[in-house]
Amino acid sequence: EIVLTQSPGTLSLSPGERATLSCRASQSVTNSYLAWYQQKPGQAPRLLIYGASSRATGIPDRFSGSGSGTDFTLTISRLEPEDFAVYYCQQYGSSPFTFGPGTKVDI
Amino acid sequence: EVQLVESGGGLVKPGGSLRLSCAASGFTFSEYSMNWVRQAPGKGLEWVSSISSSNKFIFYADSVKGRFTVSRDNAKNSLYLQMNSLRGEDTAVYYCARGVPADMGRYYFDYWGQGTLVTVSS
Repeated sequence: EIVLTQSPGTLSLSPGERATLSCRASQSVTNSYLAWYQQKPGQAPRLLIYGASSRATGIPDRFSGSGSGTDFTLTISRLEPEDFAVYYCQQYGSSPFTFGPGTKVDI
Repeated sequence: EVQLVESGGGLVKPGGSLRLSCAASGFTFSEYSMNWVRQAPGKGLEWVSSISSSNKFIFYADSVKGRFTVSRDNAKNSLYLQMNSLRGEDTAVYYCARGVPADMGRYYFDYWGQGTLVTVSS
């Protein structure tokens, strides 16, 4: 089983700042099959990034993903008020399709 | 518009059973994998199960293997999760999610339902 570790656990920033979230895998993720999801309180998760770096439909270009192998990054270039949420990475390269524990981005 | 609506959640005693359903609309259901993901109260996301479009691939998390069974009815645009031998640690909101195939048996989840709460307690 691939274990995903996300850091930091909480990121305290202000609107307009840059956010850099890390996701590290215990072993290499097949073909960079790594996705990022955003979840706000009381809502279902929303797909942001798939294939490590491809933005999902309708996702603003301030969100970008990068990385390969075991190290992946989600970057939010300039935080908007609606971006304060919890972010999860997930690998879908091999079953079980594990999620990371999440990074909370708050003000 | 893609819509996924879960139902069937509720309160059940330890050792009991429950069947969740997910009604899909707005897309060709038979062309996509479908998946269950759960979230215990105040906790993170946990992948539970995936089923491919034609039932060729079915996967389970170790925590539910042998107790949960995923199935789908492409004629009814519906996904199911039969949950048996329920435990307190199965208490969670259960989401169904549409899976986009990246490869055979590998999917990322592009649309999610709003979830249904399952509470296992005596």
